[in-house]
Amino acid sequence: EVQLVQSGGGLVQPGGSLRLSCVGSGIAFGSNSLNWVRQAPGKGLQWVAHIGTSSSNIYYADSVKGRFTISRDNAKDSLFLQMKNLRANDTAVYYCASRTGGGMDLWGPGTTVTVSS
Amino acid sequence: SYVLTQPPSVSVAPGQTATITCGGGKIESRNVHWFQQRPGQAPVLVIFYDSDRPSGIPERFSGSKSGNTATLTISRVEAGDEADYYCQVWDADSDHWVFGGGTRVTVL
Repeated sequence: EVQLVQSGGGLVQPGGSLRLSCVGSGIAFGSNSLNWVRQAPGKGLQWVAHIGTSSSNIYYADSVKGRFTISRDNAKDSLFLQMKNLRANDTAVYYCASRTGGGMDLWGPGTTVTVSS
Repeated sequence: SYVLTQPPSVSVAPGQTATITCGGGKIESRNVHWFQQRPGQAPVLVIFYDSDRPSGIPERFSGSKSGNTATLTISRVEAGDEADYYCQVWDADSDHWVFGGGTRVTVL
């Protein structure tokens, strides 16, 4: 089955860290660029980070640069987001999304990150 | 930073046509993608590269672009089309993906 399976969300205190994972199946994972996109409660979609096929091109939204690190392991069909120094406004559902050639055509189900004391 | 502007809401009767706009500077030179997000679900790509439809997306969904505005058109609207719709472009100046604020389509 073609899908992205996510894990790693949860409740964390402000200033804490969390690592999100996203595993692909049924797709040529290593041939796709990958992204993290988040959605705060009741808000719209916000792009977080992008990583190219061979990790050569990595970009971050200004709001997370210096705190979040995107990485991938093509041998394990896996994408990661290491989040540090988390803030209350990082609270959101985080989606991983794969871009085959056109748009982001495959999305994970999302994982909830709650930053609260 | 680059901004995409969408109307917050659009209401349409079943069987009619819904038109969702997405405005942005020099959008005519950018590839526009559109996503549908039903409540509690992940987004789904419905249009890529301005007007191409992924497999499985009904022909009722179409995209176009003119001047500084991209448009998603949903013909013969059905109850199941009720969702939030987002446009998206790649901003090469900042190396950022940019989403519009989203448009909620309500089927009356």
